[in-house]
Amino acid sequence: SAVISQKPSRDICQRGTSLTIQCQVDSQVTMMFWYRQQPGQSLTLIATANQGSEATYESGFVIDKFPISRPNLTFSTLTVSNMSPEDSSIYLCSVVHRLNYEQYFGPGTRLTVT
Amino acid sequence: GENVEQHPSTLSVQEGDSAVIKCTYSDSASNYFPWYKQELGKRPQLIIDIRSNVGEKKDQRIAVTLNKTAKHFSLHITETQPEDSAVYFCAAQGGGGNKLTFGTGTQLKVEL
Repeated sequence: SAVISQKPSRDICQRGTSLTIQCQVDSQVTMMFWYRQQPGQSLTLIATANQGSEATYESGFVIDKFPISRPNLTFSTLTVSNMSPEDSSIYLCSVVHRLNYEQYFGPGTRLTVT
Repeated sequence: GENVEQHPSTLSVQEGDSAVIKCTYSDSASNYFPWYKQELGKRPQLIIDIRSNVGEKKDQRIAVTLNKTAKHFSLHITETQPEDSAVYFCAAQGGGGNKLTFGTGTQLKVEL
């Protein structure tokens, strides 16, 4: 498997501000994704983080709201911009392992917007 | 795009009984079907997966079956234990890439 870390693990933010979440993997992976999981709900894919190029966003998610970077194979950031209470959620990084193609999740970042 | 339906949404069993969770998918090109277990406050953990060239896979008390013709797959847990209590998510990966589409989840409760 892959060891995935996310920072911060949780944060409480004021509306209108932005938060950048970092995801670091200990081994080379092929794909990196960002998901959102609202309380009691399933996992919703926000975007695929592409190394060295713009992320690929799913329907309903836009780059201006959720800018993503992936400067190398093992690191990615997700920014939640101009936050509102509706952005309160858990944000999870996910990776596809290079060798077995299995997908693993990071520990998540619990975001509360007040 | 892919659509995954999962049933039941909640499942309560007695310790030692079996539990079965079923999922259906829409994209006939989907070729990879993982199952995740998520305990309260924790990340989803991959517990078993199956690829479209296999009909069944087993790992100790957990098994997954796949019916490509009917486009459904199921998770079977035998001899359930209290530590099996969690939310279980099925997922399907389409033929167009590595994106997973998740089911809505099943809250499994194993009662003593």
